[in-house]
Amino acid sequence: EDQVTQSPEALRLQEGESSSLNCSYTVSGLRGLFWYRQDPGKGPEFLFTLYSAGEEKEKERLKATLTKKESFLHITAPKPEDSATYLCAGARGGSEKLVFGKGTKLTVNP
Amino acid sequence: DAGITQSPRHKVTETGTPVTLRCHQTENHRYMYWYRQDPGHGLRLIHYSYGVKDTDKGEVSDGYSVSRSKTEDFLLTLESATSSQTSVYFCAISELLTGSHEQYFGPGTRLTVT
Repeated sequence: EDQVTQSPEALRLQEGESSSLNCSYTVSGLRGLFWYRQDPGKGPEFLFTLYSAGEEKEKERLKATLTKKESFLHITAPKPEDSATYLCAGARGGSEKLVFGKGTKLTVNP
Repeated sequence: DAGITQSPRHKVTETGTPVTLRCHQTENHRYMYWYRQDPGHGLRLIHYSYGVKDTDKGEVSDGYSVSRSKTEDFLLTLESATSSQTSVYFCAISELLTGSHEQYFGPGTRLTVT
């Protein structure tokens, strides 16, 4: 059974304090690892897709990386507006279905 | 934002009543999905569609049915709502032709079954 596990469940940072969120996965024949951001009361917003180990993608203060067993979402010098729940999901080869982790709730204090 | 709307946005219903949630897209994407999101469980796939009249089950499909008679609409029906179906329901769309496979989500429907 495919599984995606995110850690920590919650993370509090001070503004400017860089950190990383972890997503470990056991997905057969991974064809893509996806990161989403979700604000309270809203639907998940797509951030990145990573396809192969060693791949990196960046967007503003966020950088996502992928290894054969896990993915990291690095947040550099976060701002309060980066506060949200970050979701990770994996898809196996030949499937359009995503398996989601339970998310990491990030709070950035000013 | 992807052109996805969900209706209603909020609904309170009684146990045993039928409920239909609607997802409408203006992107002409082939794939559509219904998820539920609950504390402690994250997002779980209920059903998905890979074309008009083509649907398949997800991991939590019991008690739910779906229909897709047009590319733009995907309906989720709870035939006889139960309290365990109180949740936030999200619709998502994706399109293989773009090559990227990511799913885009609607704003959600908050359903309360009393």
